Amino acid sequence: KQEVTQIPAALSVPEGENLVLNCSFTDSAIYNLQWFRQDPGKGLTSLLLIQSSQREQTSGRLNASLDKSSGRSTLYIAASQPGDSATYLCAALDNYGQNFVFGPGTRLSVLP
Amino acid sequence: DGGITQSPKYLFRKEGQNVTLSCEQNLNHDAMYWYRQDPGQGLRLIYYSQIVNDFQKGDIAEGYSVSREKKESFPLTVTSAQKNPTAFYLCASTASGTSQGYTFGSGTRLTVV
Repeated sequence: KQEVTQIPAALSVPEGENLVLNCSFTDSAIYNLQWFRQDPGKGLTSLLLIQSSQREQTSGRLNASLDKSSGRSTLYIAASQPGDSATYLCAALDNYGQNFVFGPGTRLSVLP
Repeated sequence: DGGITQSPKYLFRKEGQNVTLSCEQNLNHDAMYWYRQDPGQGLRLIYYSQIVNDFQKGDIAEGYSVSREKKESFPLTVTSAQKNPTAFYLCASTASGTSQGYTFGSGTRLTVV
């Protein structure tokens, strides 16, 4: 059964820093991987979706990479801002299932 | 503007009472999902439906029920059999094959009083 973990559980950085959030999955036979942002008390907002045939996706200051062989995905945030403060979740869809399996999230605080 | 609408935003349930959470989407997505989120924990799948009039149990289906009579709607009933229903409930949808990823609603916070 697919398991997804995220490290670190929480991260606090000063404004302007570049940072990396990590996502690991146990079954490398994934169909795609999606990164989400969640603000307190809100739903999940999709940030980036990486298909299994892709190695990375970019949107503005965000870049997500996927390495299926090592079971890892990273979310790179450039020039962080206080508005980036939120919980970031990754979710993996494997080739055998029909649903995404979510990681527990990384809670990010960007200090002004 | 396409999206998923969950209502109500906040819901209070008395002991022994059934309550129904609404989820409506106008994205023409085939598949719909219900997740439960507890503080400090990840999302856990309750039920999902790939097509109208069909649905499957997720990892924590006990104490919950669903229906899928219309493509646009996937209501979740929290029954009195669910002993610890206080949580944040999220509805999601996706197109067939999930190649487009998930779209989420804004959630319903259920509290037992």
